[in-house]
Amino acid sequence: NAGVMQNPRHLVRRRGQEARLRCSPVKGHSHVYWYRQLPEEGLKFMVYLQKENIIDESGMPKERFSAEFPKEGPSILRIQQVVRGDSAAYFCASSPSAGSLYGNTIYFGEGSWLTVV
Amino acid sequence: DQQVKQNSPSLSVQEGRISILNCDYTNSMFDYFLWYKKYPAEGPTFLISISSIKDKNEDGRFTVFLNKSAKHLSLHIVPSQPGDSAVYFCAASALNAGNMLTFGGGTRLMVKP
Repeated sequence: NAGVMQNPRHLVRRRGQEARLRCSPVKGHSHVYWYRQLPEEGLKFMVYLQKENIIDESGMPKERFSAEFPKEGPSILRIQQVVRGDSAAYFCASSPSAGSLYGNTIYFGEGSWLTVV
Repeated sequence: DQQVKQNSPSLSVQEGRISILNCDYTNSMFDYFLWYKKYPAEGPTFLISISSIKDKNEDGRFTVFLNKSAKHLSLHIVPSQPGDSAVYFCAASALNAGNMLTFGGGTRLMVKP
């Protein structure tokens, strides 16, 4: 998957705990996206970030979820006070620039599977 | 409101035959379409894409057709191979939405030897 690294691959949290998912984009990519896949469903857009900026967070739940992409280091998706409904696969993707019309491809990581017990 | 729909949740095809996966969309602002392949417990892998200024794009065994008037696209795989068995997602993006992709629900393709 072209070098997008996500960790942890699997995470188990009890209800009420915090989950932190990390994503290192392909080297040189400055655009990061987070998607969530619930069981038996397609991928749903959550948030789009560039370095130090949130560009579009229209898919993020209003509460408990936050994302960042600092100048240095990986992008972090943080889920506070997790509930069972947060159990899903969370995929990070990266691209070199905006404008997929120009042929840029979005590369996905292997995903982080969150299970809330 | 599902803007991208894949109405067939599964498809079974014999090895060597053609696989045709379909996708419909409702948002006329979409101008770029992609197909991704996904194995269990892995991330989606990019397969092929098409811009709205084209009606066909071919890459080896994979061809994507776009019918803008019908807001329909399809992925043809020929000849199908057992290794093609996976879930296929179509996705769409609009230029004014950056690279945000809207995905269909996926079609599980099974290619029988």
